[in-house]
Amino acid sequence: EAGVTQFPSHSVIEKGQTVTLRCDPISGHDNLYWYRRVMGKEIKFLLHFVKESKQDESGMPNNRFLAERTGGTYSTLKVQPAELEDSGVYFCASSQEQIYEQYFGPGTRLTVT
Amino acid sequence: ELKVEQNPLFLSMQEGKNYTIYCNYSTTSDRLYWYRQDPGKSLESLFVLLSNGAVKQEGRLMASLDTKARLSTLHITAAVHDLSATYFCAAAYYGQNFVFGPGTRLSVLP
Repeated sequence: EAGVTQFPSHSVIEKGQTVTLRCDPISGHDNLYWYRRVMGKEIKFLLHFVKESKQDESGMPNNRFLAERTGGTYSTLKVQPAELEDSGVYFCASSQEQIYEQYFGPGTRLTVT
Repeated sequence: ELKVEQNPLFLSMQEGKNYTIYCNYSTTSDRLYWYRQDPGKSLESLFVLLSNGAVKQEGRLMASLDTKARLSTLHITAAVHDLSATYFCAAAYYGQNFVFGPGTRLSVLP
């Protein structure tokens, strides 16, 4: 069974540019989560999809971040325009049910210069 | 607001020794998870603890949960170099999402 995959693994962009991160969850997992770890700090929750619906987006830092999950399969997280403080590692995770353990992808390391 | 603390944040230990990592959380939580992360890699699920008094063991690692004390422990027995990694605990309350601790960076020295 394939695990959670994320693309790209690394992205380096300039301040003001746009970047789109992609996450493919484990097949059959309705729950998809985005997290971010900035500068070695805690892993912070960003948002949670159940199928294509946003269940909880309380962790999204501001309106420069837009997440979508069309069709309830893969998800994208767009940052537009990127700022220096957006640099960090963005993790995606998926689970069958919300109370179950979450399976994490390898992360996308975003560097904004 | 649920907050999660871990201590120590850094741990350097010799092979063969035992040690415990502590995870405290601030409010009611009905789920506690432990994850391991190797440098540049994803988070690997180690344990899921769902009830007070739960104890789970896998190899040299044993995790326990005391919901009354709002405390989970990850005990390492006879450490080996392969256990070097960062260990995260995460707590959640039903219907809410994970809150992670800051992580404990473990180095096991020969």
